[in-house]
Amino acid sequence: QKEVEQNSGPLSVPEGAIASLNCTYSDRVSQSFFWYRQYSGKSPELIMSIYSNGDKEDGRFTAQLNKASQYVSLLIRDSQPSDSATYLCAFLGSSASKIIFGSGTRLSIRP
Amino acid sequence: NAGVTQTPKFRILKIGQSMTLQCTQDMNHNYMYWYRQDPGMGLKLIYYSVGAGITDKGEVPNGYNVSRSTTEDFPLRLELAAPSQTSVYFCASTPIISGANVLTFGAGSRLTVL
Repeated sequence: QKEVEQNSGPLSVPEGAIASLNCTYSDRVSQSFFWYRQYSGKSPELIMSIYSNGDKEDGRFTAQLNKASQYVSLLIRDSQPSDSATYLCAFLGSSASKIIFGSGTRLSIRP
Repeated sequence: NAGVTQTPKFRILKIGQSMTLQCTQDMNHNYMYWYRQDPGMGLKLIYYSVGAGITDKGEVPNGYNVSRSTTEDFPLRLELAAPSQTSVYFCASTPIISGANVLTFGAGSRLTVL
């Protein structure tokens, strides 16, 4: 079983709608989770981090963490064309130093 | 403040050649990482370091070596390059490991092995 799994997409969402991205992980010891955004040809950049069960909101972005079910999700409200990118989930591994990434979900916002 | 600097940006190698990808950060970060990203895929951890003199393997360490003699530098060595090592390589660093940590990435090094 892979340590972290994401749907590769592409996920196509109309402008103004809610985009929902999901990620499951296998390491029950993991405590910290991250969502990174990567534009084509660029380096990843952090959108949000979350380490407590529940929701965490930052502007149009909401991260959700459910440790019992071992999944973390990212909701993007009022999707904009500029949100078109690959979204990578990541977690801090059981070694407490390794940061492991998923395979990424490609999101396309159609006008 | 340059952040994380990677060199070279692009390189073409022949099968069997060796080379070193350089990574330097000027933020006094203890933790440094090397990732590779194949086309359309996520990041795979190659090696990481928690401080000068300390390195450890990641998910895909075979065919690579690292060293960390200073806090600033974390070079990645490829021995006997193979086509399977064609990828984009990212170096990243962070000052601490916590729930709030942010990885600062370099711009990437695109390597092609022919």
